[in-house]
Amino acid sequence: EVQVVESGGGLVQPGGSLRLSCAASGFSFSSYWMHWVRQAPGKGLVWVSRINSDGSSTTYADSVKGRFTISRDNAKNTLYLQMNSLRAEDTAVYYCARGPTWFDPWGQGTLVTVSS
Amino acid sequence: DIQMTQSPSSLSASVGDRVTITCRASQSISSYLNWYQRKPGKAPKVLIYAASSLQSGVPSRFSGSGSGTDFTLTISSLQPEDFATYYCQQSYSTPYTFGQGTKLEI
Repeated sequence: EVQVVESGGGLVQPGGSLRLSCAASGFSFSSYWMHWVRQAPGKGLVWVSRINSDGSSTTYADSVKGRFTISRDNAKNTLYLQMNSLRAEDTAVYYCARGPTWFDPWGQGTLVTVSS
Repeated sequence: DIQMTQSPSSLSASVGDRVTITCRASQSISSYLNWYQRKPGKAPKVLIYAASSLQSGVPSRFSGSGSGTDFTLTISSLQPEDFATYYCQQSYSTPYTFGQGTKLEI
């Protein structure tokens, strides 16, 4: 079964850091672009970042550029999102999803809450 | 950023109805348009990619059309399991953006 499973969410204070992980299985992870998408409470879906298949190219939404870093370990079939300088407005459920440019599958998401 | 606008925001329909949801882009996106279905507590699921290509495993009652700025998702005969929220998403350029969603209710 093709699936991705996120982990690493939790409660963090403003200005803090958190690293999300996304474990992939059932497909050739190293062949696919991967993405992070988030949804804040009561808000819509927002694309956050993408990374190409070998990790050499990354793109970010302006709202996270300079604070978040997407990376991957193809040997471990795992995608990461390092989130630094977190703000209250980063509170959301974070989803990882397989590319290329349409997202399938998505994980169940991991909740990140930024609050003091 | 490319803005995606869906209409209607919500829709009431009955089993067996034909339903059409519209998505409009703020600029031309060729055929770089994808449709998702989302049920409560579940991750979104892609239905249609590249405007009109049916994702493997998705029932043929779902279809997509359009190019440029105007797109439609059609469900030819609603089934009970189709009551969900539907989103469009443009993949023409980053940042990829989503419509606000259309909630399809009984």
